Amino acid sequence: DTAVSQTPKYLVTQMGNDKSIKCEQNLGHDTMYWYKQDSKKFLKIMFSYNNKELIINETVPNRFSPKSPDKAHLNLHINSLELGDSAVYFCASSHTQGSLYGYTFGSGTRLTVV
Amino acid sequence: GNSVTQMEGPVTLSEEAFLTINCTYTATGYPSLFWYVQYPGEGLQLLLKATKADDKGSNKGFEATYRKETTSFHLEKGSVQVSDSAVYFCALRGRGEYGNKLVFGAGTILRVKS
Repeated sequence: DTAVSQTPKYLVTQMGNDKSIKCEQNLGHDTMYWYKQDSKKFLKIMFSYNNKELIINETVPNRFSPKSPDKAHLNLHINSLELGDSAVYFCASSHTQGSLYGYTFGSGTRLTVV
Repeated sequence: GNSVTQMEGPVTLSEEAFLTINCTYTATGYPSLFWYVQYPGEGLQLLLKATKADDKGSNKGFEATYRKETTSFHLEKGSVQVSDSAVYFCALRGRGEYGNKLVFGAGTILRVKS
């Protein structure tokens, strides 16, 4: 009955590798997001998809590519990983229309690049 | 653009002390305001929200009142417990269509000692 689930929870990989993080929500929300949280806990939005359409694309290196096969899934693929990519990545979902709703977050993926 | 400023931490309190975490915002129009909590090793959970001026959000003994005149949404709790130790994020979501993303403050670490 998990609302927003991300896999994997932990990911340790070497510089230069390519990796993916998967996210799924069963809340019936039509918008999904990726956030990056740095070591100081600062949260920065990376991408947002509404019904499979990219609607927010913040200043993120083009090594990061989101993919949304349907409105319940939003995956994040990262090419040529760098040390600075080490962070916790959170997936979230929400209703789009109106501002009354907050987001529901997954439990995060801790990425460590060595 | 929209922004949120919250007090820097860490905030360290003894058990049963009174808690205030200040949050002020800048936004066009009338955003909705939120407090999220992140317990160690977990994702963000919605703690409370308020969607219009003078609304009071409350949950688990925490309260915050939407003050339009001072553009503030301070978080308070009368008696904190060790289990309240976490990172607290103030956030706003503007009104409008697809671009109304959730904007977070920098987070405030709360440590409660027994």
